[in-house]
Amino acid sequence: DSGVTQTPKHLITATGQRVTLRCSPRSGDLSVYWYQQSLDQGLQFLIQYYNGEERAKGNILERFSAQQFPDLHSELNLSSLELGDSALYFCASSAYLDPSYNEQFFGPGTRLTVL
Amino acid sequence: GENVEQHPSTLSVQEGDSAVIKCTYSDSASNYFPWYKQELGKRPQLIIDIRSNVGEKKDQRIAVTLNKTAKHFSLHITETQPEDSAVYFCAASASGGYNKLIFGAGTRLAVHP
Repeated sequence: DSGVTQTPKHLITATGQRVTLRCSPRSGDLSVYWYQQSLDQGLQFLIQYYNGEERAKGNILERFSAQQFPDLHSELNLSSLELGDSALYFCASSAYLDPSYNEQFFGPGTRLTVL
Repeated sequence: GENVEQHPSTLSVQEGDSAVIKCTYSDSASNYFPWYKQELGKRPQLIIDIRSNVGEKKDQRIAVTLNKTAKHFSLHITETQPEDSAVYFCAASASGGYNKLIFGAGTRLAVHP
């Protein structure tokens, strides 16, 4: 157990819908990262938040947004869902802003299926 | 932008053999190179990492080497065991403003008894 929690574990929804994925980082970690892992694909970096502020963006679609709350948990919002959005979404946390300073600990992931 | 290429995409070895996975990065400012292991249906977990001021690092049966000139780093697993079967991801990050860990596409390692 990495100490990072994600809910829900599984999510099945229809095209055009909107969903929210939730992540709670390890105690004391200020950075939260979101990744998308499609079937047999690598880990695509989406976005990073540090202490409530957005600090880095990857290949995140405009239909996707995220935020980090004062208690440091983060939510990833996916809207106007398409079949291609079906994937495993991981959240990771680390103590510092710079990912080269320390290990990122991954949560168990949320498997999103869009029908 | 930063890109990390990883080879091979699949690797099959017999138990006890060695396995080598290679990665190349594009950003010469990269200075941190972790390797993650992801077992089927599980989360990625860090197994070893190396920084640009070190050429090699070992941890029991696992070692990582870095060639900064060639922008190339490799994971070496010796005396492979069936429990080493997983997908391995390399990654690279540059400190000072990028805040991104860029992952390779992954290598699916199968160790056959």
